[in-house]
Amino acid sequence: SQKIEQNSEALNIQEGKTATLTCNYTNYSPAYLQWYRQDPGRGPVFLLLIRENEKEKRKERLKVTFDTTLKQSLFHITASQPADSATYLCALLNQAGTALIFGKGTTLSVSS
Amino acid sequence: EADIYQTPRYLVIGTGKKITLECSQTMGHDKMYWYQQDPGMELHLIHYSYGVNSTEKGDLSSESTVSRIRTEHFPLTLESARPSHTSQYLCASAQGNNSPLHFGNGTRLTVT
Repeated sequence: SQKIEQNSEALNIQEGKTATLTCNYTNYSPAYLQWYRQDPGRGPVFLLLIRENEKEKRKERLKVTFDTTLKQSLFHITASQPADSATYLCALLNQAGTALIFGKGTTLSVSS
Repeated sequence: EADIYQTPRYLVIGTGKKITLECSQTMGHDKMYWYQQDPGMELHLIHYSYGVNSTEKGDLSSESTVSRIRTEHFPLTLESARPSHTSQYLCASAQGNNSPLHFGNGTRLTVT
């Protein structure tokens, strides 16, 4: 069955540094992958979508890469700020094509 | 901000009670979803709907039921709540299959 693994449960970095989060998936070849941000007690908020034929996607300080050979996506936040502290989830369409499945997420803490 | 609303935000109820969690969206989206999320864990799909009078069970087995009589409304019902139903329930909607999900802020249910 499909599986999504996000590399670590928690990542602590200093303000101004680049945060890099990893999402690995198995047993499937999704046509696209999405990243979401979730704050405590709130629903996830969509950030970026990257398709299988796109190597990289950028939005302001965010950058996502998608390597279908490695079955991996990397999510980068450059010049990180304390306000970037949150849990980041990666998601891809399930094999039935009916809905998104999500990883457990990586909780990022940016200290000033 | 997405226009998707969930009520109540918090609910504490005794075992055996019937409850309905409300979810409404004003974006005219055909696709709607219910996910269940325990603290620190991934979201699990429990129900989805592709339009009025269409409902399907998700990847995670759930004793809850849903209905979709109007495009904008997708309520979830538990006929007899049990402590094992204690969790956060997140509702989402999307325009199409490849579209991002718009989430509500969830209902945190506690069954005593």
